[in-house]
Amino acid sequence: QVHLVESGGGVVQPGGSLRLSCAASGFTFKAYGMHWVRLTPGRGLQWLSVISFDGNYKDYADSVKGRFTVSRDNTNDTVFLQMTSLRAEDTAVYFCGKRGDGYYVDHWGQGTQVTVSS
Amino acid sequence: SYVLTQPPSVSVAPGQTATILCGGDNIGRKSVHWYQHKPGQAPVLVIYDNRDRPSGIPERFSGSNSGNTATLTISRVEAGDEADYYCQVWENLSRHVIFGGGTKVAV
Repeated sequence: QVHLVESGGGVVQPGGSLRLSCAASGFTFKAYGMHWVRLTPGRGLQWLSVISFDGNYKDYADSVKGRFTVSRDNTNDTVFLQMTSLRAEDTAVYFCGKRGDGYYVDHWGQGTQVTVSS
Repeated sequence: SYVLTQPPSVSVAPGQTATILCGGDNIGRKSVHWYQHKPGQAPVLVIYDNRDRPSGIPERFSGSNSGNTATLTISRVEAGDEADYYCQVWENLSRHVIFGGGTKVAV
């Protein structure tokens, strides 16, 4: 059974940084790409980033490119999202998700709340 | 970039059918995926590749896609179906995942 658990969220001041983690279990982690998606009350779901199974391909939404960095540790079945230069509009619940056989997310974590506020 | 348009809300009585639309330019040429999200929970994939259901998703959930509109249909709606529903595609040009704005289904 696929299980994804995000951690690392919290309250941070504008301009600050946070590193989110997503621990995976129940599947062969090193064989699948992973996504990060966030949910904001006003804007719904917003895709942020994807990393390939081996970490060699990464891509980002325009809104976070240059500020967020995705990485993974296939030894410890964990994917990370390093967030810098955080803004108030980055306040959201952040989800990691396992890529399905196509361009969709077939399993999601419960999310971790990030609040950017002074 | 590619835009997916969903109505903000749909209201349906228990036992009736809910129809959730997702509009996009020539969306019929793309694969559309649908997610259900309840507050405080992980989103759940309910339809992938326009009409396929993941294991564990009831047959009451079905999808279609043609022209400029994709549709998620929930038959015999139950109180537990109350949630936000999002459509999603992959945009070839940007190679990015695109979500619709979401539709709140009220039962």
